[in-house]
Amino acid sequence: QLQLQESGPGLVKPSETLSLSCTVSGGSISSFSHYWGWIRQPPGKGLEWIASIYFGGTTYYSPSLKSRVTISVDTSKSQFSLKLSSVTAADTAVYYCARQYSSGSRFDPWGQGTLVTVSS
Amino acid sequence: SYVLTQPPSVSVAPGQTASITCGGNNIGSKSVHWYHQKAGQAPVLVVYEDSDRPSGIPERFSGSKSGNTATLTITRVEAGDEADYYCQVWDSSNDHVIFGGGTKLTVI
Repeated sequence: QLQLQESGPGLVKPSETLSLSCTVSGGSISSFSHYWGWIRQPPGKGLEWIASIYFGGTTYYSPSLKSRVTISVDTSKSQFSLKLSSVTAADTAVYYCARQYSSGSRFDPWGQGTLVTVSS
Repeated sequence: SYVLTQPPSVSVAPGQTASITCGGNNIGSKSVHWYHQKAGQAPVLVVYEDSDRPSGIPERFSGSKSGNTATLTITRVEAGDEADYYCQVWDSSNDHVIFGGGTKLTVI
């Protein structure tokens, strides 16, 4: 059974870079059929897609975050990662990683999520 | 950019049928996916590609589309169905994932 687990600092200072990793277990991150994505959810608000990546390197980014976001994949570690630069309090959210069935398709399963707070 | 519109809240009595809508321009040409998210938990896929159910999701959950609206229908609603529900599509014009704003289902 595929599982995803987010990891990274729970507290980031304003203007710094948020860095998270997602470790994939129980399946291959090099699957030809899947992409891997990041989604976030500010406290009390809805879901916001951030970015998706294919193991071969193809990437898609949310237009509202594209200038600050980098998504990457490390197949040797079975991980994919997210970097969000120049963070502000508005970036405080629970960050989820998830498997995506081909580009643009559904997300399933999801990681449990990790809360990242932006504060000095 | 593409927008999906959901009602903020829907209330239903136990045993009744809940319908949660997701409106979007030309949504008929897109595959719609639905998630539920219980309090403090990660979202879970309940319907994909408009009307298919992942394994483990009860038959009480079904999806449909008509015109510019997709609908998630939950029959014989149970207290455990109380959650936030989100629809999602792929905006192929811009290569973006779009989520609806979410609907809070309350079982009264």
